Amino acid sequence: QKEVEQDPGPLSVPEGAIVSLNCTYSNSAFQYFMWYRQYSRKGPELLMYTYSSGNKEDGRFTAQVDKSSKYISLFIRDSQPSDSATYLCGGGSNYKLTFGKGTLLTVNP
Amino acid sequence: NAGVTQTPKFRVLKTGQSMTLLCAQDMNHEYMYWYRQDPGMGLRLIHYSVGEGTTAKGEVPDGYNVSRLKKQNFLLGLESAAPSQTSVYFCASSPVWDRGSSGETQYFGPGTRLLVL
Repeated sequence: QKEVEQDPGPLSVPEGAIVSLNCTYSNSAFQYFMWYRQYSRKGPELLMYTYSSGNKEDGRFTAQVDKSSKYISLFIRDSQPSDSATYLCGGGSNYKLTFGKGTLLTVNP
Repeated sequence: NAGVTQTPKFRVLKTGQSMTLLCAQDMNHEYMYWYRQDPGMGLRLIHYSVGEGTTAKGEVPDGYNVSRLKKQNFLLGLESAAPSQTSVYFCASSPVWDRGSSGETQYFGPGTRLLVL
């Protein structure tokens, strides 16, 4: 079992939809949790970062971490075609991150 | 600030050839990482460094060597390239991780596409 499991999708939604992306992890030592967005043929860019459990909101994006169930979530409100990308979740400890395989999201106009 | 830069952007090698990928960061970060990204496999850590002069193995280190002679540079070497090393290589850097106090995130470069024939 990989340390971070992520449904690869693909996921296709209409513009304006609420998108829910989820990951599970198995390593109890993880303290740092991140979501990256990767456009085609580009490097990953940090979208959201959370230390330990809790919620974090930034504009249309909300990240949730539930350490009791080892669950990582990203919600995108009012999704836009520009949100079409691959979303990578990651969990980390001791300055190393382990990533999920990524979920390909397409937002259709 | 340029952030994290990678050289070259694209390279084609023949089996058995050697090459070095260069990563540079101008953010004064302590930690640097090399990943490879393959379809269906996600990002996998090859080697990493927690400071100048130090390196350590990641998840998939075989066939690669690294060096960090200067804090801002992290080199990834392939001594004898194999077709299985065809991939997209990403370098990343991060500041020291300190329990959520200093923005423990990894900043990625644009990637190097490597094709080994």
